[in-house]
Amino acid sequence: DTAVSQTPKYLVTQMGNDKSIKCEQNLGHDTMYWYKQDSKKFLKIMFSYNNKELIINETVPNRFSPKSPDKAHLNLHINSLELGDSAVYFCASSQELHRTGNTIYFGEGSWLTVV
Amino acid sequence: QKEVEQNSGPLSVPEGAIASLNCTYSDRGSQSFFWYRQYSGKSPELIMSIYSNGDKEDGRFTAQLNKASQYVSLLIRDSQPSDSATYLCAVNSNYQLIWGAGTKLIIKP
Repeated sequence: DTAVSQTPKYLVTQMGNDKSIKCEQNLGHDTMYWYKQDSKKFLKIMFSYNNKELIINETVPNRFSPKSPDKAHLNLHINSLELGDSAVYFCASSQELHRTGNTIYFGEGSWLTVV
Repeated sequence: QKEVEQNSGPLSVPEGAIASLNCTYSDRGSQSFFWYRQYSGKSPELIMSIYSNGDKEDGRFTAQLNKASQYVSLLIRDSQPSDSATYLCAVNSNYQLIWGAGTKLIIKP
């Protein structure tokens, strides 16, 4: 069983469209994250959710909105897609929010290409 | 702004040699340090974590931490071609995990 699963794995879409990426974890973790990794491989956190409460929201455009129906799911919705949104998006989870000894488990990534 | 810096590489090491990866960080208050490995087209996975000054060994991997100098390193002994990947350094700073840009390691047979 995959610990952190996200879908779709590949997504090609046109500018201006709205898309969602779904994520589920079966590890029983309290915290889930969305990361963006650009072409330079730099991993940047976008959102953290702890017990369904938004903990960290970095300087991410409000076109991006996380939605968590329960602590096992954290979906990412993107409105009005732009070319610069093309990247790999990783969902992840951990037992607690970045505490000592906290391992982060990543999903396999969703490759988003905006054309 | 809190930063974690790594040499982007690529770092080329002959098979069987020791690969040495370095990372420096800016927040003196950081207490937890992590090394993740990321194969091309895959997601990052944890290799080592270290919290105290000194060395921590796990198989062929050794993490070294020097808080006074604010650096953490990862040594890979008897490097194998399967070790070729990007190695990401991450530092826990005020309940946030700050990531370096990663060092690409190439092990040449």
